Amino acid sequence: DGGITQSPKYLFRKEGQNVTLSCEQNLNHDAMYWYRQDPGQGLRLIYYSQIVNDFQKGDIAEGYSVSREKKESFPLTVTSAQKNPTAFYLCASSIDRESYGYTFGSGTRLTVV
Amino acid sequence: GQQLNQSPQSMFIQEGEDVSMNCTSSSIFNTWLWYKQDPGEGPVLLIALYKAGELTSNGRLTAQFGITRKDSFLNISASIPSDVGIYFCAGQAHQAGTALIFGKGTTLSVSS
Repeated sequence: DGGITQSPKYLFRKEGQNVTLSCEQNLNHDAMYWYRQDPGQGLRLIYYSQIVNDFQKGDIAEGYSVSREKKESFPLTVTSAQKNPTAFYLCASSIDRESYGYTFGSGTRLTVV
Repeated sequence: GQQLNQSPQSMFIQEGEDVSMNCTSSSIFNTWLWYKQDPGEGPVLLIALYKAGELTSNGRLTAQFGITRKDSFLNISASIPSDVGIYFCAGQAHQAGTALIFGKGTTLSVSS
């Protein structure tokens, strides 16, 4: 079955360490997205990529980095510069840049201690 | 960044009751969507609206794209326990190709 896989489901890191969250899709979608979810805050856009080797900053990109070397993969690195990294991270994809029927992964809960 | 105003923030209802929630924006949106999120999972698309005035149903769910293009509502009729979750509105405000903007969500609790 096609879908988006985020791994791991739960991740614990020490403060000051960089950590990379995985997002892989086999839907043949061109566009991919990273959102951050905090309680009562909804989903806030971190980065998005509309095509391989290209990506744009979202509303809260500071302290995060991404790469899009393959169509299927859009990993997110949470760097030590991110002041409050503990959150639920959601990856999504859509057929192309003009399609808004996003398919979401099941998320990664990152806890920094 | 731009945000959508979604209300109410939370609702506590009895099984069988109807539910209504809405989203407003200060600017015009070209697309409105409604998603539902179960605990610990990613959101799932419920209804997509692409034209001002459009009224669309999906089973017990009905959503409308406001005439002014600045608002949308979602109704759930005859609620059941599995309706529990967080409902998000989302929209596309700018030129085509920009990512969706999400509301802060409405948390629905249903008691049987």
